[in-house]
Amino acid sequence: DVKVTQSSRYLVKRTGEKVFLECVQDMDHENMFWYRQDPGLGLRLIYFSYDVKMKEKGDIPEGYSVSREKKERFSLILESASTNQTSMYLCASRPVGVEETQYFGPGTRLLVL
Amino acid sequence: DAKTTQPPSMDCAEGRAANLPCNHSTISGNEYVYWYRQIHSQGPQYIIHGLKNNETNEMASLIITEDRKSSTLILPHATLRDTAVYYCIVRVRTGGGNKLTFGTGTQLKVEL
Repeated sequence: DVKVTQSSRYLVKRTGEKVFLECVQDMDHENMFWYRQDPGLGLRLIYFSYDVKMKEKGDIPEGYSVSREKKERFSLILESASTNQTSMYLCASRPVGVEETQYFGPGTRLLVL
Repeated sequence: DAKTTQPPSMDCAEGRAANLPCNHSTISGNEYVYWYRQIHSQGPQYIIHGLKNNETNEMASLIITEDRKSSTLILPHATLRDTAVYYCIVRVRTGGGNKLTFGTGTQLKVEL
C-alpha cells in the first residue's frame, strides 16, 4: 500500500514563527502536492512538485514556500506564520501517468495563535 | 475547468445501497471523473475513477451517463464506516502536475 506520512497531526505555533511541515512518501512517486483545507472552501492547492528540486505554484502560494531535496520528501514552509494560516494541511503524492490518482497523508492541523 | 455539482448531504440506511449523484455538464472529452472521500479528520481517500465506461472495484461502482454530463457513485452495501464527505472531481491538468479541485462534496451519513 502507498503510504504518505506527515510529521505532525496537530501543531500549535505563534504568529511570526517559522513553521516546517514535512511530508514523506514511500512509493517513489514523482509528483507531490501541498493543499490546505478550510471549511466552506474545500481543498486549495498551495504548491506542487513534479521532480526533485522542481516546484510550481498552485492557487494560493502567498506566504508559503516549499523544498524538495529528495524524491520522497516534500516540505512546506511558513516563513512567518500568521493567524490566517490556521488550517488543515494535506500532503499528497502521485506517480506519473494520465490516470493515476493522488494519495493523501493524514493531514496536519495547524493552529497559529 | 469543468465544475461539479453535488447535493450537500444524503442519508442512507446501513446495508442499503448509497447512490451519490454528481453533475459535470461542462466536462471536456479528455477529462476523467474521480471520486474521493474524506472521513472526519483524515486525509482524502481515492475511491474510483472513469472516463466514459462504467467502472467497478472492491469499494464502489461508478456509472457515467452516455453524454458524460453526470455520474453516480454507488456503494452497494453501505456501512457505518462509509459515513464521510464524498467528492466528485473532474481532473484538471496544469503544467507538470495534475491538481485536484475539490468542491464541497456530499456529506453521507449512514445510519442503523
